[in-house]
Amino acid sequence: TQLLEQSPQFLSIQEGENLTVYCNSSSVFSSLQWYRQEPGEGPVLLVTVVTGGEVKKLKRLTFQFGDARKDSSLHITAAQPGDTGLYLCAGDRTGTASKLTFGTGTRLQVTL
Amino acid sequence: GAVVSQHPSRVICKSGTSVKIECRSLDFQATTMFWYRQFPKQSLMLMATSNEGSKATYEQGVEKDKFLINHASLTLSTLTVTSAHPEDSSFYICSARKVSGNTIYFGEGSWLTVV
Repeated sequence: TQLLEQSPQFLSIQEGENLTVYCNSSSVFSSLQWYRQEPGEGPVLLVTVVTGGEVKKLKRLTFQFGDARKDSSLHITAAQPGDTGLYLCAGDRTGTASKLTFGTGTRLQVTL
Repeated sequence: GAVVSQHPSRVICKSGTSVKIECRSLDFQATTMFWYRQFPKQSLMLMATSNEGSKATYEQGVEKDKFLINHASLTLSTLTVTSAHPEDSSFYICSARKVSGNTIYFGEGSWLTVV
């Protein structure tokens, strides 16, 4: 059973468009992380959200943790080809980073 | 920043042989390392948690006798795929948690192809 469901699974957009990726679960997480992964490489941490309702911004990326700490969203403004990649959310249920559960992944392709 | 290195980055082995993948934390000590497997176009699936000085904890459905994990020091964990089969071909990724704090750092991954 996949604890973290991401939607959409695949997204192809043109440069300059906005998009939102969702990460949903029925479980409560003490923290949630977002990663971006390029083919053949390990995932790279983008952000960690800890508090319910928390919003974090990283340049054109805005991350939000749900009030109940069961879901999260990633919004990208004015997407660029360099944003292309696999976006993964990962939840930590224990608060000690003892085990991360990864989401199903969203593959983003941004074209010129 | 903290660096986790995996070796080899790519390996091809014959069916029935064993292959070892190393995961090293280069500039920090890690009591806990994690091994993931990722099939093409899929997400990361946790295989096992490697604890320094003790036995690894395997996730449900992962054969511990097939995927041998050794964490002999605070900077090195190894994953040995024994009697490899073509269906074991995958991208294997490790991550390490610093002794102090809860931050996890990922390696670059290792491609295993069993022919």
